[in-house]
Amino acid sequence: GENVEQHPSTLSVQEGDSAVIKCTYSDSASNYFPWYKQELGKRPQLIIDIRSNVGEKKDQRIAVTLNKTAKHFSLHITETQPEDSAVYFCAASKGGATNKLIFGTGTLLAVQP
Amino acid sequence: DVKVTQSSRYLVKRTGEKVFLECVQDMDHENMFWYRQDPGLGLRLIYFSYDVKMKEKGDIPEGYSVSREKKERFSLILESASTNQTSMYLCASSLPRGTNTEAFFGQGTRLTVV
Repeated sequence: GENVEQHPSTLSVQEGDSAVIKCTYSDSASNYFPWYKQELGKRPQLIIDIRSNVGEKKDQRIAVTLNKTAKHFSLHITETQPEDSAVYFCAASKGGATNKLIFGTGTLLAVQP
Repeated sequence: DVKVTQSSRYLVKRTGEKVFLECVQDMDHENMFWYRQDPGLGLRLIYFSYDVKMKEKGDIPEGYSVSREKKERFSLILESASTNQTSMYLCASSLPRGTNTEAFFGQGTRLTVV
């Protein structure tokens, strides 16, 4: 089955710096790659996603890139702010009739003011 | 407003008890999931249902079963609770296809088995 690896497990940056989180997936049939943010004590929420027919997607300070050949995708956060501090999860899915989502192990991002 | 609701926020059960965790969604989603969240291990898929009465094992189904008798409700059952099942349990739902396949999560149930 699908396996998703995520690095680093923890990341500390200064406010205003950029943060990058990387994930690799094992199943070449995967075609949907969402990123979720989980603030302390809250439920995970989708922040951005990308499909396999696109190489990059941006939404304000957040961007995701996908390299299908290498089977990896990355989350980029620019101009980090303290409210970006959270656990971030990547995930992969083959879509189709069942759309089973397999998650990475998470990255704890701490933005130091 | 989309909603996935889990029946309990906190539960304390004894070893050997049969435990039911309930999840209800009001979005008419076909897909429903049960995940377990542990520090350093991320969100691990226990079971997945893609339609009423249909289920598929995830990565860690041992010790768990599920029931989906109605589209909106997906139950996770611990047949005989053990201390290693102490964890945060998250339910989610999503559409199976189309442009919006975002998974929506419940608030989580923190289960402690003593």
